[in-house]
Amino acid sequence: GNSVTQMEGPVTLSEEAFLTINCTYTATGYPSLFWYVQYPGEGLQLLLKATKADDKGSNKGFEATYRKETTSFHLEKGSVQVSDSAVYFCALRIQGAQKLVFGQGTRLTINP
Amino acid sequence: EAGVAQSPRYKIIEKRQSVAFWCNPISGHATLYWYQQILGQGPKLLIQFQNNGVVDDSQLPKDRFSAERLKGVDSTLKIQPAKLEDSAVYLCASSPQGKETQYFGPGTRLLVL
Repeated sequence: GNSVTQMEGPVTLSEEAFLTINCTYTATGYPSLFWYVQYPGEGLQLLLKATKADDKGSNKGFEATYRKETTSFHLEKGSVQVSDSAVYFCALRIQGAQKLVFGQGTRLTINP
Repeated sequence: EAGVAQSPRYKIIEKRQSVAFWCNPISGHATLYWYQQILGQGPKLLIQFQNNGVVDDSQLPKDRFSAERLKGVDSTLKIQPAKLEDSAVYLCASSPQGKETQYFGPGTRLLVL
């Protein structure tokens, strides 16, 4: 079946640290891949996406590259800020369907 | 542009009671989704509408959950009767027809005692 696995949280970092949140997937065909973010008290928001192999999605200093050979879509940011504290969800959408399949989420806390 | 609206934001009920949630998608969005997010897990799709027709309800527990989108705009999700394991956040999302980006509402947090 189709599934997404994220690294276990919670993750706690100091401001300006380098961030990596791992995401791997299992899917039939060639899915589109997404990172969504949920800030405290708010709804899920699309952070970035990639629709084919080797595509790089980027937004707000975050990046993720669609790696077909390793079935991965790891989220990275070079220097995190306190305002990046949130829950991050990796998700996929298989071809021909619109529904999203989410990972379990990773809670990120950035300390000043 | 107004976002996806949901109400109520919070609901506490006892098991075996009934509850209903309402969602108003972004204007003009043809596709509407209901997701269930249990604490510590990612959202799971319950049902997807395209206008007023059901596209996918394969993970909807139909013995107790129902949903409708009669005029192809707003939607209601109902649980009758509720069980303890239904405690979760119920998320509504919408997207324009043919587009893959989904826009989420703030969710309704349900606690079943």
